[in-house]
Amino acid sequence: DAGITQSPRHKVTETGTPVTLRCHQTENHRYMYWYRQDPGHGLRLIHYSYGVKDTDKGEVSDGYSVSRSKTEDFLLTLESATSSQTSVYFCAISRQENYGYTFGSGTRLTVV
Amino acid sequence: GIQVEQSPPDLILQEGANSTLRCNFSDSVNNLQWFHQNPWGQLINLFYIPSGTKQNGRLSATTVATERYSLLYISSSQTTDSGVYFCAVFDFGNEKLTFGTGTRLTIIP
Repeated sequence: DAGITQSPRHKVTETGTPVTLRCHQTENHRYMYWYRQDPGHGLRLIHYSYGVKDTDKGEVSDGYSVSRSKTEDFLLTLESATSSQTSVYFCAISRQENYGYTFGSGTRLTVV
Repeated sequence: GIQVEQSPPDLILQEGANSTLRCNFSDSVNNLQWFHQNPWGQLINLFYIPSGTKQNGRLSATTVATERYSLLYISSSQTTDSGVYFCAVFDFGNEKLTFGTGTRLTIIP
């Protein structure tokens, strides 16, 4: 299986606190993505990266920031967590942007 | 953007049965993928199939890009096949992978 890991797997946090989720890959893929999955909305792209320090917004980027200082790590930060950000967050990697996506195991985040 | 629709939305089958899942897309694409999300939430990439037919064990997929659809066949279903199956296409206009609404497959022992 492709080497992609997410941490933590589960997290409960309080409203207003900052939270950082980590995605780590060992495949040296250029592209990395953060998605959130919610009932009724499917998978929605938050942010993506096409190289070290090269990132761009997805369709639901408000309230989130990302950083990629190394090829293997892509961090997602919720600057001030809100209850609407309770979700399952998936990281994905791909060698090219249009195919071959591999997803991590997901992080279940609950904001109380 | 590209619209991706899947049918049926839900499918319940006895173990051993065969099934066909359909994915329709609104524009010409050359990059269709199929994913399986198991009951534990893990998303597994099954096929990258821009056109033609591919097979992997009991699963096979066919894409007819000119007619804007793809089919996923599952033969001799097992309970481990349960979960949600998504197709997805990359929308170059919006620069994002667009997922279908999914087909929830339940295999009963």
